[in-house]
Amino acid sequence: NAGVTQTPKFQVLKTGQSMTLQCAQDMNHNSMYWYRQDPGMGLRLIYYSASEGTTDKGEVPNGYNVSRLNKREFSLRLESAAPSQTSVYFCASTGQVTGELFFGEGSRLTVL
Amino acid sequence: GENVEQHPSTLSVQEGDSAVIKCTYSDSASNYFPWYKQELGKRPQLIIDIRSNVGEKKDQRIAVTLNKTAKHFSLHITETQPEDSAVYFCAATPNQAGTALIFGKGTTLSVSS
Repeated sequence: NAGVTQTPKFQVLKTGQSMTLQCAQDMNHNSMYWYRQDPGMGLRLIYYSASEGTTDKGEVPNGYNVSRLNKREFSLRLESAAPSQTSVYFCASTGQVTGELFFGEGSRLTVL
Repeated sequence: GENVEQHPSTLSVQEGDSAVIKCTYSDSASNYFPWYKQELGKRPQLIIDIRSNVGEKKDQRIAVTLNKTAKHFSLHITETQPEDSAVYFCAATPNQAGTALIFGKGTTLSVSS
């Protein structure tokens, strides 16, 4: 039982490049989330998917797109990376809105 | 949407002392308030949560209190130990379909022995 798995763990991009962060969970959870963590800013919600087939914007969605590929997988795409997107990205999932959120290990992205 | 404010941003205590972290929220519809602990280089993990129909909840050395009228909730850690050193996040969300947890900015707790 792996829980929430994110790939890649580390990535360095140049400004303007694109990339996709992959996330998969094996807990049969309905809801999945992408957060970014920056020093002094806490965990900020980028996008979320309350259930398969739905996605919604969070607090900081600009510059990102998401795809809920199926119940297990939720990807985050940066179409044209900017230095302001340098951050640690966490994927998370939960079986219910008011239940424990299970996080992946995080993906550290640096945009030069 | 929900906005969660968390104070203080840093907190230093001596081993054995108590630590208190406070959060306020803006959305009166919020009714679920978890606390997460993140050790250095690790992922956040749930340590305790409280729902709006409860005023206080305790689990060994940690406790959480909720004041719905004032829209604030607090984390209390007693008899702190060096292993309590971490970043602590509060969060809030309404129990509604299509909503998500909104986190505070975090408190870095340092416990010195």
